[in-house]
Amino acid sequence: GENVEQHPSTLSVQEGDSAVIKCTYSDSASNYFPWYKQELGKRPQLIIDIRSNVGEKKDQRIAVTLNKTAKHFSLHITETQPEDSAVYFCAASVGYSTLTFGKGTMLLVSP
Amino acid sequence: DAGITQSPRHKVTETGTPVTLRCHQTENHRYMYWYRQDPGHGLRLIHYSYGVKDTDKGEVSDGYSVSRSKTEDFLLTLESATSSQTSVYFCAIRGVVTDTDTQYFGPGTRLTVL
Repeated sequence: GENVEQHPSTLSVQEGDSAVIKCTYSDSASNYFPWYKQELGKRPQLIIDIRSNVGEKKDQRIAVTLNKTAKHFSLHITETQPEDSAVYFCAASVGYSTLTFGKGTMLLVSP
Repeated sequence: DAGITQSPRHKVTETGTPVTLRCHQTENHRYMYWYRQDPGHGLRLIHYSYGVKDTDKGEVSDGYSVSRSKTEDFLLTLESATSSQTSVYFCAIRGVVTDTDTQYFGPGTRLTVL
């Protein structure tokens, strides 16, 4: 089955810096890649997603890039703010029915 | 929050007792999922349903069973709870409509097995 690796497991940045979280997947048939943000004690919430027919997608300060050849996708957060501090999960799906999640990245943004 | 509720929100039980967690949706979505979340493991799929009475196993299904007798409810049962099943359990739903294929999560249930 699908395997998703996520790095780094923790990431500390200063407010205003950029943050990049990277994921790789194993199944070349994967075609949907969402990113979730989970604040402490809360449910995971979708922040952005990308489908395999698109190489990049942006939404204000966040962007996701996809390299299908390398089976690699990344989350980019610019101008980080303390409220961006959370655990971020990447996921991959073949045919949208089920998602396989990475183990998560704890992002800490210091003022 | 996508019309998903979970009950109970917190439960403490003893090893060997049966436990049932309920997920309820008001969105009439076809797909429903149960995940467990543990430190260092992220979110792992236990079981999912693609319609009434239609279910399938996920990555960590051993020790769990599910039932879906109506569209809005998806039940997760631990027949005989063990300490290794102490976890936070999340339900999720997904519609089968283009551009709304994303999974949305319920608020979670924190289960402690003593």
